[in-house]
Amino acid sequence: QSVLTQPPSASGTPGQRVTISCSGSSSDIGSYYVFWYQQLPGAAPKLLIYRDSERPSGVPDRFSGSKSGTSASLAISGLRSEDEADYYCAAWDGSLPRPSGVFGGGTKLTVL
Amino acid sequence: QVQLVQSGAEVKKPGSSVKVSCKASGGTFSTYGVSWVRQAPGQGLEWMGRIIPVFGTTHYAQKFQDRVTITADESTSTVHMELSSLTSEDTAVYYCARGIASMGVHFDHWGPGTLVTVSS
Repeated sequence: QSVLTQPPSASGTPGQRVTISCSGSSSDIGSYYVFWYQQLPGAAPKLLIYRDSERPSGVPDRFSGSKSGTSASLAISGLRSEDEADYYCAAWDGSLPRPSGVFGGGTKLTVL
Repeated sequence: QVQLVQSGAEVKKPGSSVKVSCKASGGTFSTYGVSWVRQAPGQGLEWMGRIIPVFGTTHYAQKFQDRVTITADESTSTVHMELSSLTSEDTAVYYCARGIASMGVHFDHWGPGTLVTVSS
């Protein structure tokens, strides 16, 4: 069972806007930055959003991240077929005595 | 541009250990953190632990605390992950990932993954 909770699936049609939620607690999302990763089939994950809402260079501005309290969201606007992938949120968990990284269970995005 | 090069696929017997390496090609780990993340077949990502090579500092997930050891050789820009007491549930692709240590789970460079199969 993942520490961060994501919906297992999401879907949308081309051009639509979809959002993926990520729920955590005060020791992870509530205290640390949230990161989002995109994993295309058969590939290693790729950094999509860092520090809650920042995009690395090369990531289209169709992707945006936000955070409020112990929850975060990834929004994808102008959905395209190539966005079909698995999306994971991640955060640091500062719980003592063993701080650690934690991922959400992942959300499979289908472009209909 | 740094690339992370991982060692090749492994097939191991239950109860044995496996050691996977991750070399920074075209760069170093410098002050970055290097984490190991695994993905079982059809499953999600699971953080196992990390090392900050310049300090030698390690953090391990509770689940793997007694079985995993992450080490770094700065002279060769290589990080190793050794997992012991293997069971079939350890069959997975193991990724190394580099990122800004102070941001915890920031991973801007990933290795291609190493498939470890545990089978009798």
